[in-house]
Amino acid sequence: NAGVTQTPKFRILKIGQSMTLQCAQDMNHNYMYWYRQDPGMGLKLIYYSVGAGITDKGEVPNGYNVSRSTTEDFPLRLELAAPSQTSVYFCASKLRGSGSGVRAFFGQGTRLTVV
Amino acid sequence: DQQVKQNSPSLSVQEGRISILNCDYTNSMFDYFLWYKKYPAEGPTFLISISSIKDKNEDGRFTVFLNKSAKHLSLHIVPSQPGDSAVYFCAASARRDDKIIFGKGTRLHILP
Repeated sequence: NAGVTQTPKFRILKIGQSMTLQCAQDMNHNYMYWYRQDPGMGLKLIYYSVGAGITDKGEVPNGYNVSRSTTEDFPLRLELAAPSQTSVYFCASKLRGSGSGVRAFFGQGTRLTVV
Repeated sequence: DQQVKQNSPSLSVQEGRISILNCDYTNSMFDYFLWYKKYPAEGPTFLISISSIKDKNEDGRFTVFLNKSAKHLSLHIVPSQPGDSAVYFCAASARRDDKIIFGKGTRLHILP
């Protein structure tokens, strides 16, 4: 199993450009999450999904869009990139349930710089 | 409004001694609490969790204590080892929506 795979690992965008951060998991997890990590600010939840076709806003959704057409993929879309979106983005997934099912698995991250 | 708070940005501990990382939360709907460890340029990795119906959970050198009345939890690492140097995130989730909310993290330095 590859786990949670994020692409690309690094990207530089110009202000106003758009891009999609890809996230795929091969663990048949129904829950998937997108976070951003700014220096000293911890991980902030952007969007999450409890299953294919269902998405919901997190703590900081403005400027982003998501879709979940399959169980495996959860892409994050930036439509008009702004310098404030410079951050490290992490995708995570988990299986619903109690006990060990609560644990979320994270990808390696995508470092995005908007200039 | 921060729902999960880690008020110590960093902590230095001598190798072999106990490391204690603290976390406070405000949302009484949280029913699971987790600790994640993160090395630079890597994604966070799960360390240990505790359900709100328990007050202690132990896994090897790692123990998490939960005080629901104080809305406080702590992670104890005994004995601390050089490989424990990392950023530790406290996180919490509620079954009603399954969001996982993270604190700002505490950077732990294990001194030789």
